[in-house]
Order: sequence, then structure tokens, then C-alpha cells
Amino acid sequence: EEQLLESGGGLVQPGGSLRLSCVGSGYTFRNGPMSWVRQAPRKGLEWISAISGSGGSIYYADSVKGRFTISRDNSKNMLYLQMNSLRAEDSAIYYCARRSSGLDLWGQGTLVAVSS
Amino acid sequence: DIQMTQSPSTLSASVGDRVTVTCRASQSISSWLAWYQQKPGKAPKLLMYKAATLESGVPSRFSGGGSGTEFTLTISSLQPDDFATYFCQQYSHYPWTFGQGTKVEIK
Repeated sequence: EEQLLESGGGLVQPGGSLRLSCVGSGYTFRNGPMSWVRQAPRKGLEWISAISGSGGSIYYADSVKGRFTISRDNSKNMLYLQMNSLRAEDSAIYYCARRSSGLDLWGQGTLVAVSS
Repeated sequence: DIQMTQSPSTLSASVGDRVTVTCRASQSISSWLAWYQQKPGKAPKLLMYKAATLESGVPSRFSGGGSGTEFTLTISSLQPDDFATYFCQQYSHYPWTFGQGTKVEIK
């Protein structure tokens, strides 16, 4: 069964850092471009970053550019999101998702809360 | 950035009804549009991609249409399992953007 599983969420103070991880299983992870999408409580979906299968192409939303860094380790089937200079408005459930045609495989999400 | 605008924001309907959700893009995205269904506490689920292609395993009562800037998602006969929130998403240009969502609720 194809699966994505996120981890690394938690409570962090404003200005702090957090690294999210996402492990893929049940498919050839290195072939798939990946994205991070977040959803603030009772809000809509916001795409925040994407990375190609090789890791050679990377894209960010303006809201996180310069603060967040996406990366992957295909030898470990892992996707990462390093989040620095966190703000209250970054509080959300963070999903990793595989891009096939559209985002066809999603993890269950990990909750990030930024608060003092 | 490309703005995606869905209408209506909320739709009240009964089991068996035909319902249509509309998504408009602020500029042409050809057919690079996906639709997702999300239920409370769950991750979104891909229903449709390339505007009108049904994802594997999705019931045929779901259909999509449109190109350029105007798109629709239609459920031909609403079933109890279909009460959820639906999002459109363009993947023509980065940054990818989502519509604000349409909640389909029981009338």
C-alpha cells in the first residue's frame, strides 16, 4: 500500500525552528515530485513548497520563501521541511503530498502550533 | 499569482440531487486543474485532474469540465458519503493555488 507519513510537528515559540519529516512507502519514492501543503484551523488549503524527484528543482510560496527549506533524501525515502523564523500565522496542519497528476497521495498531516 | 475563486462557498442539497461547483481562475490555466474532497479531520483526496480526468477509484457520479478560466465539478446524484468540502487547485503555474473551498451540506 502506498503511504506517506509525516512527523516532527509540535508547539514552538515565535521565532523558533522546526523540521518536519515525511516518509514514503509502497512506491518508488525517488520518481515522484513532492509538495508540502498546509491548512490553518478551519481554513482552506495553502500550497507552500514543491521539489522535483531528483531534488534539482524547488519552488516556494511567497509566504514562506526565505524562511522554509524543502529537501529530500531519496536513499531514505524521506522528504523534509526545515521551518525557521516561525510566526503565529504558520500554525497549521502540514501535509506532504505526492504529485502525479494533481496531488494524488497525501499523508495524514502533522500539527504545528506557533505560540508563546 | 493565479487566484482561484470557487462558488458557492456553501451548498445545501439532498441525497439524489445533482450539484455543481464552479471554480474560476484569474488567468488561463489551460486544463491544469484538480479537484479534491476533504472530510473533517482527514487529508484531502484527489477526485479529478487535468480538469476532467477521474482519479482511479473515484465514483463515476463525479465529473469535471472546463478549460482556460472556468471549471466545474458536478456530482450527478449526491450520496451520503459526498457531504464534504471540495477544493479546486491550479497546477499550471507556481505558486500553485487552491480555491477557498465549497462545503456541501445536508439540506
